[in-house]
Amino acid sequence: NAGVTQTPKFQVLKTGQSMTLQCAQDMNHNSMYWYRQDPGMGLRLIYYSASEGTTDKGEVPNGYNVSRLNKREFSLRLESAAPSQTSVYFCASSGAVQGYGYTFGSGTRLTVV
Amino acid sequence: GQSLEQPSEVTAVEGAIVQINCTYQTSGFYGLSWYQQHDGGAPTFLSYNALDGLEETGRFSSFLSRSDSYGYLLLQELQMKDSASYFCAVRTGANNLFFGTGTRLTVIP
Repeated sequence: NAGVTQTPKFQVLKTGQSMTLQCAQDMNHNSMYWYRQDPGMGLRLIYYSASEGTTDKGEVPNGYNVSRLNKREFSLRLESAAPSQTSVYFCASSGAVQGYGYTFGSGTRLTVV
Repeated sequence: GQSLEQPSEVTAVEGAIVQINCTYQTSGFYGLSWYQQHDGGAPTFLSYNALDGLEETGRFSSFLSRSDSYGYLLLQELQMKDSASYFCAVRTGANNLFFGTGTRLTVIP
């Protein structure tokens, strides 16, 4: 099925550990995004990539890095996880033909202890 | 700063109509979107308004008034499966979508 695939779905990290969240889309979208969602809050943009080879900071980029590996894949890396990074992470992609609608992946639930 | 205001919770009866309002104050404005999210699920795109007026998609309609910095989502013929959180989001730039904190809709029999 066409869409956005995220891995892993669940992860528990210890403070200071690192990990990479993977995201791939098969809709030939140029733009991809990483958001985090915390209880009682909306989604907040961490980083985005408007096209292959470009990345830009969003609203809450501190503590994260990203890589746009190719048109399909956009990864998010936590170099040294902190409890404040406990959240649900969503990857999304968009194409203008959708009326600027974003397609989201199923999310990664990350807990940092 | 940027802000989007929407009610935190709304309760409505199955078969009825409900309107979820959204007012915004942002540094840029390209359009207003609405997303649905069921508990434990991913947000799903519902609608996008770039121009003033009403957009209708089946049981869902979305309205925008740019002069009032205001929009709403209208859900008709409510069904139990419509119980979810609904987020308004403003496209503030070519690749910036700023989300509100969401409205939790509960549909009761």
